Amino acid sequence: DGGITQSPKYLFRKEGQNVTLSCEQNLNHDAMYWYRQDPGQGLRLIYYSQIVNDFQKGDIAEGYSVSREKKESFPLTVTSAQKNPTAFYLCASNPSGRQGYTFGSGTRLTVV
Amino acid sequence: AQSVTQPDIHITVSEGASLELRCNYSYGATPYLFWYVQSPGQGLQLLLKYFSGDTLVQGIKGFEAEFKRSQSSFNLRKPSVHWSDAAEYFCAVGERNTDKLIFGTGTRLQVFP
Repeated sequence: DGGITQSPKYLFRKEGQNVTLSCEQNLNHDAMYWYRQDPGQGLRLIYYSQIVNDFQKGDIAEGYSVSREKKESFPLTVTSAQKNPTAFYLCASNPSGRQGYTFGSGTRLTVV
Repeated sequence: AQSVTQPDIHITVSEGASLELRCNYSYGATPYLFWYVQSPGQGLQLLLKYFSGDTLVQGIKGFEAEFKRSQSSFNLRKPSVHWSDAAEYFCAVGERNTDKLIFGTGTRLQVFP
């Protein structure tokens, strides 16, 4: 079945360490997105990519980095510069604006 | 700037009762509008979407929403709520040139038997 796979589901890291969250899709979608979700704040856009080898900053890109070397993959690195990284991270893909996003099941990152 | 407001943080209804979740948006042109549902610890599932045409749109799980341009609203409705509808609901507006979605802060629905 086609879909988006995020791994791992839960991730624990020590403060000051970089960590990479995986997002893979087999839907052949061009666009991919990373959102951060915090209680009471909805979803906030971190980065997005509309084509391979190109990506754009979203509203809260500071302390994060991404790459888009393959159409299927859009990994997110949470760097030590991110001041409050503990959150639920959601990856999504989209064939075009009219379709709406398909979301992965998320990764909960806890930094201790 | 584009924005989405969901004025109700938490709504509680009895099973079998009707439901309306409010959504107001701010967007300069005709918007793309979406409703998503999220169960705890899960990703978001698309319930329905509006792009143009008929202002009353039908979605999955018996939900519908009505686009009212004069009120900048896109409220979600269901005539009879089931216990399995308990979840968090997000309204979103899509930017036509970038396909980015801007989400509201969500409404948590609790259903009592």
